[in-house]
Amino acid sequence: QKEVEQDPGPLSVPEGAIVSLNCTYSNSAFQYFMWYRQYSRKGPELLMYTYSSGNKEDGRFTAQVDKSSKYISLFIRDSQPSDSATYLCAMRTNDSWGKLQFGAGTQVVVTP
Amino acid sequence: EAQVTQNPRYLITVTGKKLTVTCSQNMNHEYMSWYRQDPGLGLRQIYYSMNVEVTDKGDVPEGYKVSRKEKRNFPLILESPSPNQTSLYFCASSLLSGEPEAFFGQGTRLTVV
Repeated sequence: QKEVEQDPGPLSVPEGAIVSLNCTYSNSAFQYFMWYRQYSRKGPELLMYTYSSGNKEDGRFTAQVDKSSKYISLFIRDSQPSDSATYLCAMRTNDSWGKLQFGAGTQVVVTP
Repeated sequence: EAQVTQNPRYLITVTGKKLTVTCSQNMNHEYMSWYRQDPGLGLRQIYYSMNVEVTDKGDVPEGYKVSRKEKRNFPLILESPSPNQTSLYFCASSLLSGEPEAFFGQGTRLTVV
């Protein structure tokens, strides 16, 4: 069983809708949680990261971490066609600075 | 412009022929790493390096070697490539005190026949 599970999608939403993405994980030692966006034929780019539990907001993006449920979420408000991409979650423990565990990625399609 | 540069972008090779994929960053980052990306499996870490001459295995190191002789470069070496190493490879870098894995290269698509 993978340490990080993520629904591959595709997730199709109309422009302007809220996109809701999530990942579940099994390792309770994970403390750093990241979300990356990857456009086709490009490398991933870091969108947001959070430490431990709680919410973090950056513009149209909100990341949430629920450590009790081992569940993280990313919400994209007022979605645009340019948000169409694959979104990857990643996480690591406190003492394994170099070792990130990624989810498989969710493909998002925002239709005009 | 801050960037991570990988070369080549595309490579087709034959089984057993040694190859090197180069990775260079211009941001003076201590941390660099290599990943492979396969459909349905996401990104899996091959090797990482916390600084010059300091490297460590990731989750899928078998069949790969790395070296970190200079801070800016982190080449990935396949001594004897096999078809199961056909994949999309990414190099990444970041400051140890900054955001994790903040910069990724554009990727190298490797096909081993």
